[in-house]
Amino acid sequence: EDKVVQSPLSLVVHEGDTVTLNCSYEVTNFRSLLWYKQEKKAPTFLFMLTSSGIEKKSGRLSSILDKKELFSILNITATQTGDSAIYLCAVVFPSGSRLTFGEGTQLTVNP
Amino acid sequence: KAGVTQTPRYLIKTRGQQVTLSCSPISGHRSVSWYQQTPGQGLQFLFEYFSETQRNKGNFPGRFSGRQFSNSRSEMNVSTLELGDSALYLCASSLSGIQETQYFGPGTRLLVL
Repeated sequence: EDKVVQSPLSLVVHEGDTVTLNCSYEVTNFRSLLWYKQEKKAPTFLFMLTSSGIEKKSGRLSSILDKKELFSILNITATQTGDSAIYLCAVVFPSGSRLTFGEGTQLTVNP
Repeated sequence: KAGVTQTPRYLIKTRGQQVTLSCSPISGHRSVSWYQQTPGQGLQFLFEYFSETQRNKGNFPGRFSGRQFSNSRSEMNVSTLELGDSALYLCASSLSGIQETQYFGPGTRLLVL
């Protein structure tokens, strides 16, 4: 069965800390890996990764994919309380026929 | 541009009833996907519709069905509701499929008593 595993499931940090969220998958062939942020509403898109080793960056957030080792990381530097959310990663299968999400990482940033 | 809208936002039903949820995608988007989110199972893919046809389907029983209209609006139906169907139902739209960036609606929170 296709599996996407995120770790840690929960993380509590202080403002200003840097965090690294992990996403590993047991799918050897996939089209893309996506990261979403979900606050108390709908998930919002962060990154789409398709190529190994190429970092995507948006402000304090960055993400990279390692297709050989089958994982991706999402980094957030200088965290702020507004970064508190559930971070979801998802894998899109080759045919574009299916999307599997991980359980998510609940990030809490305390002032 | 208006975002994805879902109605109703909240719904309470009893076991055995059926329910219909509605999703209006972003203008110009032809793909609409539905997801179920629960604390125990996380976010799970239900199905995707494109040009009025179900293109892809997740691992859900036949009680879960949907359709898409010519204006790309989509409805999802759950028949013979069970307690375990209590969840947040999200729909997402994209230009042409789930392999692209999807834009999620606010969801419909369904409670089955």
